[in-house]
Amino acid sequence: NAGVMQNPRHLVRRRGQEARLRCSPMKGHSHVYWYRQLPEEGLKFMVYLQKENIIDESGMPKERFSAEFPKEGPSILRIQQVVRGDSAAYFCASSPPSSGEGIQYFGAGTRLSVL
Amino acid sequence: AQSVAQPEDQVNVAEGNPLTVKCTYSVSGNPYLFWYVQYPNRGLQFLLKYITGDNLVKGSYGFEAEFNKSQTSFHLKKPSALVSDSALYFCAVSNQAGTALIFGKGTTLSVSS
Repeated sequence: NAGVMQNPRHLVRRRGQEARLRCSPMKGHSHVYWYRQLPEEGLKFMVYLQKENIIDESGMPKERFSAEFPKEGPSILRIQQVVRGDSAAYFCASSPPSSGEGIQYFGAGTRLSVL
Repeated sequence: AQSVAQPEDQVNVAEGNPLTVKCTYSVSGNPYLFWYVQYPNRGLQFLLKYITGDNLVKGSYGFEAEFNKSQTSFHLKKPSALVSDSALYFCAVSNQAGTALIFGKGTTLSVSS
């Protein structure tokens, strides 16, 4: 049973370019969460999605960032016009539907470097 | 607002000795508490959780954690540390299942041989 798959593992972009990060949840999981880890800091929540719905985006920056989780295919975190401050590790987590335990299972992350 | 504090940036122990990694939390309602471990350039691995029940919970790799409601703490423990336990440990909390986790800043555990 494959775990949460994220790609690419490493992504280099120049300032002003777009970054697309992909996340395939564990089989049978329909809830996806995105977190950002800045150097020397813990993980910060960004957005929580279910299939075709954004449930909580309270941690998303108001501009340039967007996320989707379509009916088919992986969840996508999109960052437009990247700036150096966007350099971070972005982690995706998934959980099964109707889970009373709240355990989230994490992918290996995408490390974004903005030049 | 919910928050998690891990007061120690680093914990150093000798192999074979007991270890404790501290965590205190603040949450409205009943807490869902978690410990995760992160190895270099890897994702977070779930270690254990507390939702209800016994205050002492057992998890993976011989780790356990003690929930203390009066002190709002959830310290991670292991009776005998291994060098391979060296990693970054995160405590996390939420106030219900299926919501965002609030993470502490992490504690680096270093176990020397």
